[in-house]
Amino acid sequence: KAGVTQTPRYLIKTRGQQVTLSCSPISGHRSVSWYQQTPGQGLQFLFEYFSETQRNKGNFPGRFSGRQFSNSRSEMNVSTLELGDSALYLCASSYQNLNTEAFFGQGTRLTVV
Amino acid sequence: TQLLEQSPQFLSIQEGENLTVYCNSSSVFSSLQWYRQEPGEGPVLLVTVVTGGEVKKLKRLTFQFGDARKDSSLHITAAQPGDTGLYLCAGDEYNNNDMRFGAGTRLTVKP
Repeated sequence: KAGVTQTPRYLIKTRGQQVTLSCSPISGHRSVSWYQQTPGQGLQFLFEYFSETQRNKGNFPGRFSGRQFSNSRSEMNVSTLELGDSALYLCASSYQNLNTEAFFGQGTRLTVV
Repeated sequence: TQLLEQSPQFLSIQEGENLTVYCNSSSVFSSLQWYRQEPGEGPVLLVTVVTGGEVKKLKRLTFQFGDARKDSSLHITAAQPGDTGLYLCAGDEYNNNDMRFGAGTRLTVKP
């Protein structure tokens, strides 16, 4: 079966812009979680969606938001981009929650200049 | 500070050597997972441990969950260059419903 697909793979934006990243989970998976990965901080949890509802949220400012559609596809949006938002953004899908087996996409590498 | 502390942060060894990496916390976890991540890729799940004291083996990899479910270790026997990567532990804190990751151990196995 197809894996987790994230688009785009690479993105360059300027400070102050906004960006939307997309994640298509494995077919049948209802939980999608988003993470930010940087060399200094490692993998930081952003939020998790399950059946179109945000179920958990990490400690990120309100500029970071997300949503999930009825087909379980998810998007995350970052508004008013800052240089420090440059990172690899990963999404993970699982059937129920991340306590069960989770599958990660290849990520979207965002560079803010 | 990280909820999960991984050590060492970097490890460079020769092919054939054994190694152990650690994942420690002051919190209790319902379960703990180990992932390996290669450059340009997302993390790939290696194992999930759920019972205190549990030991799981995956070929040359041995995973142990601490009795108190606060820590875990990963031991690799006779390391190979293909084991090179970033090893991440992740746990769901008891009564929470999200996975938190450690910063990882970056392993390099030289031929």
